[in-house]
Formats: sequence, C-alpha cells, structure tokens
Amino acid sequence: QVQLQESGPGLVKPSETLSLTCAVSGYSISSGFYWGWIRQPPGEGLEWIAIIHHSANTYYNPSLKSRVTISVDTSKNQFSLKLSSVTAADTAVYYCARHPWTGAAAGTFDYWGQGTLVTVSS
Amino acid sequence: EIVLTQSPGTLSLSPGERATLSCRASQSVSSSYLAWYQQKPGQAPRLLIYGASSRATGIPDRFSGSGSGTDFTLTISRLEPEDFAVYYCQQYGSSPPYSFGQGTKLEIK
Repeated sequence: QVQLQESGPGLVKPSETLSLTCAVSGYSISSGFYWGWIRQPPGEGLEWIAIIHHSANTYYNPSLKSRVTISVDTSKNQFSLKLSSVTAADTAVYYCARHPWTGAAAGTFDYWGQGTLVTVSS
Repeated sequence: EIVLTQSPGTLSLSPGERATLSCRASQSVSSSYLAWYQQKPGQAPRLLIYGASSRATGIPDRFSGSGSGTDFTLTISRLEPEDFAVYYCQQYGSSPPYSFGQGTKLEIK
C-alpha cells in the first residue's frame, strides 16, 4: 500500500522559506510516476503547486514558479518542497501526492498524504 | 490555463436522494481528462473519477461521471450518509498545471 507522509515546520515567519518533505513508503519513487505538492488555504479550495519525476524533470504552477523549488531524493525515497519569501497568503494545508503520468488516470493524484498545516506568522 | 467553475456552490439533499454536481471548463478539456475528488473534513481529497467517467479503485458504483468538452457531471445515485462532503473537479487535458474547480459542498438537508 502506497503511503505518503509530510513533515516540516508548522510555523514559518514572513519573508522566510517554507520547507517540507514527503516520505514515501510502499512504493519506490525510482520506479516511476510523478510526485507532487498541492495546497489548500483554510476554508478554501485546492491549488496545484508542482510535480517532479525521479529523473528530476519538473513542472511548476506559473503563479508560484518564481518562489518554488521541488526536488527528489531517491536514496531516501522522498521528495521536497521549498517556497521562498512567504507571506500570510501562503498559510495552508500542504499535501503531497502521487501523480500518474501514463494511462487513463495520468494527470490525477491517486495517493495523498494526510496534509500538514503551515502557518505564516511572526 | 483552463478555469473550472463548479455549481452549485452548496447542495442540500437528504440521504437516499440523487445528487448532480456540475463542472464547466473555460475551454474544451481534451480527451475528457477530467477527474473528481471527494474531501471530508480534516481529510485529504480522495480520487473518485478519472477520464470523466471511470471510477477509481474501490469507489462504489453509485458514483458516476459523465460529460465531454466543457461540461461535466458527477452523479451520486442514492446518497449515503458518508457521501456528504466537498467535491472538486480537476482537469488534466493540457500541460501542467492541472487546475481544480472551487468545489461543491454537499450537505445534509
């Protein structure tokens, strides 16, 4: 069974960099699929942030691209998100998820982590 | 970027009733690459439907999806108590980013 678990600070100061890691178990990242990050501000909808392949091929949401870096560590079977120059608008639950790239479900997110709330506040 | 608009914003129904949720795209979604997710409070979204009409693994057959082009529908044939949640559509027919709709809240009447 594929499982994903987000980890990282729950509180980040304005103008600093938010850093999160997603540990994957039950499946080797090197075996395929893309892996991604989605966020959800409190009481709001879902926002697609970025995805990465184990080959390090990436896609970013243009609205966040200048501040976002996604990376992968196949030796630890995990991938990470960095979001720089954060403001209160970046306060959200951040989810990591598996992203099929082939087949009929390609482009969806089929396995999700439980999510982690990151609050931007001084 | 394709913008998805879901309607209604909130749908109030009773268990046993039929629910019809709409997702309209600002431009045609190629190959019907449209997915639906269910999200319950405090939980991550769960993939229900992909390819506009294919149910994901383990999804009951009371959930069905239909549509093509710019208009898509999620139907729940007979509502169970556990179906009351927020539903999101997502398009993945063009290059990333793959946008989500703003959600429809299905609440108990």
